[in-house]
This record gives sequence, structure tokens and C-alpha cells, in this order.
Amino acid sequence: DAGVTQSPTHLIKTRGQQVTLRCSPKSGHDTVSWYQQALGQGPQFIFQYYEEEERQRGNFPDRFSGHQFPNYSSELNVNALLLGDSALYLCASRLTILADEQFFGPGTRLTVL
Amino acid sequence: DAKTTQPPSMDCAEGRAANLPCNHSTISGNEYVYWYRQIHSQGPQYIIHGLKNNETNEMASLIITEDRKSSTLILPHATLRDTAVYYCIVRANYNQGGKLIFGQGTELSVKP
Repeated sequence: DAGVTQSPTHLIKTRGQQVTLRCSPKSGHDTVSWYQQALGQGPQFIFQYYEEEERQRGNFPDRFSGHQFPNYSSELNVNALLLGDSALYLCASRLTILADEQFFGPGTRLTVL
Repeated sequence: DAKTTQPPSMDCAEGRAANLPCNHSTISGNEYVYWYRQIHSQGPQYIIHGLKNNETNEMASLIITEDRKSSTLILPHATLRDTAVYYCIVRANYNQGGKLIFGQGTELSVKP
């Protein structure tokens, strides 16, 4: 049983560009959350998707947007990249929106130059 | 902001018990205590959670004080593979959705 998978593993972009990160949840899971982890810090919640809708959002600007597809996979889009967006982006899935345990993927390392 | 306080780092000898403390003095009655860990270059991994009773699973034990203002995660026989950052999180189930508020965590180093 594959766990949460994310692509790409690493990505380098320049300021002002746009980026799309992808996540496939653990088999049978229908709820996906995204987190940003800056170097040396704990992960910060960006938003959560369930039934193809954004259900909860953290304190991130509108440059951060997402999407969930009918197969429960998800994308995170970041527009107008800033140097400060350089971070590890983590995807987490849950069996249902009410499930206790979240399963995290290995993350996508984004570097903005 | 995180509602928990943890020591930034701890050492533990391999084979000994690792006891990781967490203070959560402002915890509400409906909030659970969760523990996750993050091994270098990996995503966080769920360990255990509890409300007020002590909990045990195959990975660890969670001891919550009677007033619920603090807790201790116990790894009974630490191995080198337990070296990681351990995060203590308080979260109200159901009405906080997927949001986990991570603090700085405790960096546990298990030494031979």
C-alpha cells in the first residue's frame, strides 16, 4: 500500500514565477492538507481540501491556492514566488475529514532564487 | 501560535527510555494531546494521542497529568532510529479540521 506521494521531490524557481506541486493521498483517504516548513521550523498549515473544496485555511496569502480532484489527489499552486517561499512543502492525508491521524508525504523542497 | 512548550533538545542513550516532556497549561477540556515526530528529510509521523487517560501503542506511551497541563511521551527502549524532532500538539478533534499547529519541537538525539 503506497503512502502519501508528492512530486516533484525538488524544484528550483526564480522570483515572480509560478509553481504547482502535486500530492496523491494514501489509498482510501479523501482529505488532504498542505503544510509549509521553513528551514529549522515546524510545519505551518496552509489549507485543507475535502470533497474538492477548500474547507479550512491557515494564515497564508491568496498567492497560495489549491485544488482537489475527483480521485482525491491535490495540487498546491503558488503565484508570484518570493524568496521567502523557499521551504519544504508537505502534503498530509486522512481517511476522512474527521479522522484523528494524518499521514504525511516526504515533501517537495522548493528553492526560490 | 503553538499552545505547547517543549525543551529544544534532549539526549538519550540507546536502549534506555526516552522521556520527552510537554507543557500545555492552557489546554481546553475538549482538546487532545498529539505527538508526531519528524526524522530528518522525511515528513512528520504520527505517534500517539490522548485526552486524559494514559495511552500506549506499539511505538510509545503517553502519560498525561491529572490536571492535563502537561504530558510526557515515553519511548521505552530508544534506538538510533528514534533520533528525530518530536512535536507535541494540542488539538480539538472535529472542530479544528486538519489543522495541526506545530511548535519548535524537541530534537531527540539517541546516542550509542
